[in-house]
Amino acid sequence: NAGVMQNPRHLVRRRGQEARLRCSPMKGHSHVYWYRQLPEEGLKFMVYLQKENIIDESGMPKERFSAEFPKEGPSILRIQQVVRGDSAAYFCASSPPSGGTTETQYFGPGTRLLVL
Amino acid sequence: ELKVEQNPLFLSMQEGKNYTIYCNYSTTSDRLYWYRQDPGKSLESLFVLLSNGAVKQEGRLMASLDTKARLSTLHITAAVHDLSATYFCAVVTGGTSYGKLTFGQGTILTVHP
Repeated sequence: NAGVMQNPRHLVRRRGQEARLRCSPMKGHSHVYWYRQLPEEGLKFMVYLQKENIIDESGMPKERFSAEFPKEGPSILRIQQVVRGDSAAYFCASSPPSGGTTETQYFGPGTRLLVL
Repeated sequence: ELKVEQNPLFLSMQEGKNYTIYCNYSTTSDRLYWYRQDPGKSLESLFVLLSNGAVKQEGRLMASLDTKARLSTLHITAAVHDLSATYFCAVVTGGTSYGKLTFGQGTILTVHP
């Protein structure tokens, strides 16, 4: 059973470009969480999605950031007009369909975004 | 707003010694997780603590949860070099029915001979 997959693993963008980060949850998992880890810091919650629904986006910056989890295909975290402060590691995690608070979240390898 | 604080943030240990990492959180929650992260890698789930008084052990690591004190501990016994990593505790945000996690700052553990 493949784990959570993220790609690309490393992404370099110039200021003003767009970054698209993809996450495929574990097989059978329908709940996806995105977290951001700034250098030397812990992870910060960004958004929680189920298939075709954004459930909680309270951790998402109000501008330039968006997320989706379509019926088919991976979840996408999109950052428009990137700035240097967006440089971070972005982790996706997934959990089983019950999605409750007792379910362990399994993390992907992360995408390390560098904005030049 | 839920706050999760770990201490110490940096821990340098000699092999064979014991030590404890502490995780305090500020509001009610009875679901706490411990994760390990190696440099440049993802997070590996170590323990899930689901109730007051829960204690779990795996190898040289033992985790416990006191929901009344809002405190979890990760105890390391007879440390070995392979345990060198960053350890995070994470708490499910109260009031949600899903697993929105709030993480501590992390404890960077270095075990040396």
